[in-house]
Amino acid sequence: NAGVTQTPKFRVLKTGQSMTLLCAQDMNHEYMYWYRQDPGMGLRLIHYSVGEGTTAKGEVPDGYNVSRLKKQNFLLGLESAAPSQTSVYFCASSDWTGGSYEQYFGPGTRLTVT
Amino acid sequence: LAKTTQPISMDSYEGQEVNITCSHNNIATNDYITWYQQFPSQGPRFIIQGYKTKVTNEVASLFIPADRKSSTLSLPRVSLSDTAVYYCLGPNTNAGKSTFGDGTTLTVKP
Repeated sequence: NAGVTQTPKFRVLKTGQSMTLLCAQDMNHEYMYWYRQDPGMGLRLIHYSVGEGTTAKGEVPDGYNVSRLKKQNFLLGLESAAPSQTSVYFCASSDWTGGSYEQYFGPGTRLTVT
Repeated sequence: LAKTTQPISMDSYEGQEVNITCSHNNIATNDYITWYQQFPSQGPRFIIQGYKTKVTNEVASLFIPADRKSSTLSLPRVSLSDTAVYYCLGPNTNAGKSTFGDGTTLTVKP
């Protein structure tokens, strides 16, 4: 049981380039999330999904797109990278536990845009 | 999303009990209160959650007063390895969307 995995772990992009971050979970969770974390700051929600084929915007969605074609995968895309998108990106998944949504996080992807 | 307020940083020494309080004035009737811990270069990890009164697990205790407008995370006898950022989540049961805020950076000194 690997939990939540993220690919790649590190990436350097030039301004204007595009890339896709992959998140995979093997816990059969319905809900998945993408966050970004800037140095010294808390996590901010980019996009999330409440099930296969669905996506919704979070707090800071601009400049990002997502897709959830399979229940276990959640992809985050940057169409035209900007230096302001330099950050650590965390993916998480969760399910209803009867009290709340306990989120399980991946190890993160450190992205630098030059 | 409900907003939470917690201290930016706290210092403690090994062996002491640490209490971190979070205020969440807009908590809804059905909301639970959840705390996470994050070590450097890692994703956050769930610590504890509760609805009212007191909850205890092997890691921490969570105290929630009757009005539920605040909660206190209690870490007994902290060690150096408890140095981390602790997040009180803005309570939200809408698809699990939560506001992490900036958290409380706890530094445990020898």
